[in-house]
Amino acid sequence: DAKTTQPTSMDCAEGRAANLPCNHSTISGNEYVYWYRQIHSQGPQYIIHGLKNNETNEMASLIITEDRKSSTLILPHATLRDTAVYYCIVRVRSNTGKLIFGQGTTLQVKP
Amino acid sequence: EPEVTQTPSHQVTQMGQEVILRCVPISNHLYFYWYRQILGQKVEFLVSFYNNEISEKSEIFDDQFSVERPDGSNFTLKIRSTKLEDSAMYFCASSDGTYTGELFFGEGSRLTVL
Repeated sequence: DAKTTQPTSMDCAEGRAANLPCNHSTISGNEYVYWYRQIHSQGPQYIIHGLKNNETNEMASLIITEDRKSSTLILPHATLRDTAVYYCIVRVRSNTGKLIFGQGTTLQVKP
Repeated sequence: EPEVTQTPSHQVTQMGQEVILRCVPISNHLYFYWYRQILGQKVEFLVSFYNNEISEKSEIFDDQFSVERPDGSNFTLKIRSTKLEDSAMYFCASSDGTYTGELFFGEGSRLTVL
């Protein structure tokens, strides 16, 4: 699975959009981009995933660049409860595939 | 909403003792996983399990570890003889085997080895 690079930490003001970048320059054609988050040592929580098109769900939007070498997770209106570690993971989509977590980005949402 | 449940939430044990961590995956899920997270470190994959056998394991998952699905609903992780360095949060996860690839995680079991 391709390696990802994320900033160690970011701050965001409550109510503003949080834009979390991820670099995955070695991604291959059959690898998907997944985002999970972990709130204060709870179990990781799935957010969203995509291949090449932009995706949106009730939690977030995922913007993937045309060359697929980077992506951005957008939380449109961050709340204090969005304070968490956010993990960008690249892997082949499969029904048995494990996830390999990196260090992630610690997002601090401030009032 | 269905969820993965884990027990105990916290266990304290003496070095050398056996520990069993229990998980109840989501009922229609077919793939099961254990991960661990040492305090302040990243979440690490231990093992995946499908069709009553291990499908993949990491280097961490040595002979001291074993997994079992004893009764069709529970999924257990056994550590045969605990070491101080086994102190960590252990997360169970499950997935339904569709190509969505979404893993559902439990809230974790904190193991403290003294």
